[in-house]
Amino acid sequence: SQQGEEDPQALSIQEGENATMNCSYKTSINNLQWYRQNSGRGLVHLILIRSNEREKHSGRLRVTLDTSKKSSSLLITASRAADTASYFCATVPPGQGAQKLVFGQGTRLTINP
Amino acid sequence: EPEVTQTPSHQVTQMGQEVILRCVPISNHLYFYWYRQILGQKVEFLVSFYNNEISEKSEIFDDQFSVERPDGSNFTLKIRSTKLEDSAMYFCASGYRIYEQYFGPGTRLTVT
Repeated sequence: SQQGEEDPQALSIQEGENATMNCSYKTSINNLQWYRQNSGRGLVHLILIRSNEREKHSGRLRVTLDTSKKSSSLLITASRAADTASYFCATVPPGQGAQKLVFGQGTRLTINP
Repeated sequence: EPEVTQTPSHQVTQMGQEVILRCVPISNHLYFYWYRQILGQKVEFLVSFYNNEISEKSEIFDDQFSVERPDGSNFTLKIRSTKLEDSAMYFCASGYRIYEQYFGPGTRLTVT
């Protein structure tokens, strides 16, 4: 089974709408992070939520974490065309090396003007 | 704002050739990483480096791969004899704290 699986795999919405992406994982975690990747570019760190936190905000981003369901969601409010990108969750599982990030497959988000 | 840089942005090489991918991490960072992303697939961890030695490596990081921090600023990934399946984007990352990783823009490696 894969650690860090996002759904949906692709999401297309109108500018101004909210976008919600989900991530599920299999093992326990130290923290969960969300990254954005514009086409063909590097990964940009968006937000980190620790295993003892339930919700975190950063600007238009809201991340929730439910460790009982082993899931997280990323909400982008009032979406803009510039938010078009792939979004990945990444986990740091304890006991598997405290350093490496384990990435999901990603959600491809398209914001239509 | 300081950032991780990588060179070259695109490298084309023939199967069996050696390649060196270069990274300049953010200057006060202590942890260094390489990841790769095969087209259309997940970003996969290759190796982490701390205190001048490998601290963790994945199954992908076999004897064909090596890393070096030759001069205290650059961080390199060498693939000794490239295979077609090594074609991917290679990302370098660095961090001051163990959980925070800042990624470079990547090097696209194409093996023909």
